[in-house]
Amino acid sequence: GDSVTQMEGPVTLSEEAFLTINCTYTATGYPSLFWYVQYPGEGLQLLLKATKADDKGSNKGFEATYRKETTSFHLEKGSVQVSDSAVYFCALNSNYQLIWGAGTKLIIKP
Amino acid sequence: KAGVTQTPRYLIKTRGQQVTLSCSPISGHRSVSWYQQTPGQGLQFLFEYFSETQRNKGNFPGRFSGRQFSNSRSEMNVSTLELGDSALYLCASSLESRTQETQYFGPGTRLLVL
Repeated sequence: GDSVTQMEGPVTLSEEAFLTINCTYTATGYPSLFWYVQYPGEGLQLLLKATKADDKGSNKGFEATYRKETTSFHLEKGSVQVSDSAVYFCALNSNYQLIWGAGTKLIIKP
Repeated sequence: KAGVTQTPRYLIKTRGQQVTLSCSPISGHRSVSWYQQTPGQGLQFLFEYFSETQRNKGNFPGRFSGRQFSNSRSEMNVSTLELGDSALYLCASSLESRTQETQYFGPGTRLLVL
């Protein structure tokens, strides 16, 4: 079945560092890909999405490109802030459901 | 537009009891999905409803059930609660849950089973 694999956390970075969180997927067909973020004690918020190959999603300085050839959707940000500390989830949409990666906890130190 | 709302936000139950959770989607959204989030299993899909019909169901026992009303509001029910049902239950809504659509999440209901 369809699946999403995400790099294990936690990832600890200093403020203004470059961020990459790896995400790869296995899917039949042509899923849409998403990154969601969860702040402590809150629900999930959409960060960005891409609906077809080579699409780039971007929001709040975060970017991810839908790479069909490598089945990847890695999340990047050029300069992280303390406020980016959260758990990040990669997901794909398949058959009316979201299939999730395990989540990556990001800790940004001032 | 108001977001997805879930009630109650917190619940404490004992083993063997049953519980009903409620979700009101964003106005105009006809699809409602439910997910369970636990530290051990992560986020897992429970079921999805569209126009009062269940279109997909995850791999959960029959103790987990749901329904959707004509106004798109949805409820999920868990009968004969077990300790392992302690989790954050998240509801999400979208227009039709097509592949490219965004699902918008509520704040969740945190259930603790003692």
